[in-house]
Amino acid sequence: AQSVAQPEDQVNVAEGNPLTVKCTYSVSGNPYLFWYVQYPNRGLQFLLKYITGDNLVKGSYGFEAEFNKSQTSFHLKKPSALVSDSALYFCAVRDLRGRDSNDYKLSFGAGTTVTVRA
Amino acid sequence: GAGVSQSPSNKVTEKGKDVELRCDPISGHTALYWYRQSLGQGLEFLIYFQGNSAPDKSGLPSDRFSAERTGGSVSTLTIQRTQQEDSAVYLCASSSLRGRGSSYEQYFGPGTRLTVT
Repeated sequence: AQSVAQPEDQVNVAEGNPLTVKCTYSVSGNPYLFWYVQYPNRGLQFLLKYITGDNLVKGSYGFEAEFNKSQTSFHLKKPSALVSDSALYFCAVRDLRGRDSNDYKLSFGAGTTVTVRA
Repeated sequence: GAGVSQSPSNKVTEKGKDVELRCDPISGHTALYWYRQSLGQGLEFLIYFQGNSAPDKSGLPSDRFSAERTGGSVSTLTIQRTQQEDSAVYLCASSSLRGRGSSYEQYFGPGTRLTVT
């Protein structure tokens, strides 16, 4: 089975500082990787994905993520964090059931709570 | 267009009762997923449906849990003889995996918060 790991339970940064949320993956074959954000008492919102192509992926709300094959990482980044970025962030990977690339579920990391202080 | 909707938004039930949770996916999405999120925890996969294929039930925690998807659209997750450890937020997601609409990401509903007393 495919899996992702988020090594940090919590990340605390000051507003205006760079924000990084770490994710490493373990897959066989080509990884399809995703980042989601969950604001308090809300459902999950899709931020960005890596399927193929450029290693630097840009997504919603000014977030970006860098796919690094040699380090098996897909860290989420934002150059200048906002207080409103405080939320729970999940990394996920496509977990195929069989050979059909369209038959899969997402396996999620445990999540990282981000707190941005004013 | 309309997103994924779930009902009820909150459900309080007594231990031992059965509950049904409903999910309406985005129109045209071929895949539908159920996840469970316990307080402050990550997402636990439960079951997913993909078109006419047999559902992947590998995440269901016990035989008290079952789900069906009627007509390739609406899905109902049923929990029989609820236990206190079933208390969690149940999230539904859908995605478009076929043809030109394939995008791979899943779109989530707001969830149903289940509390078993």
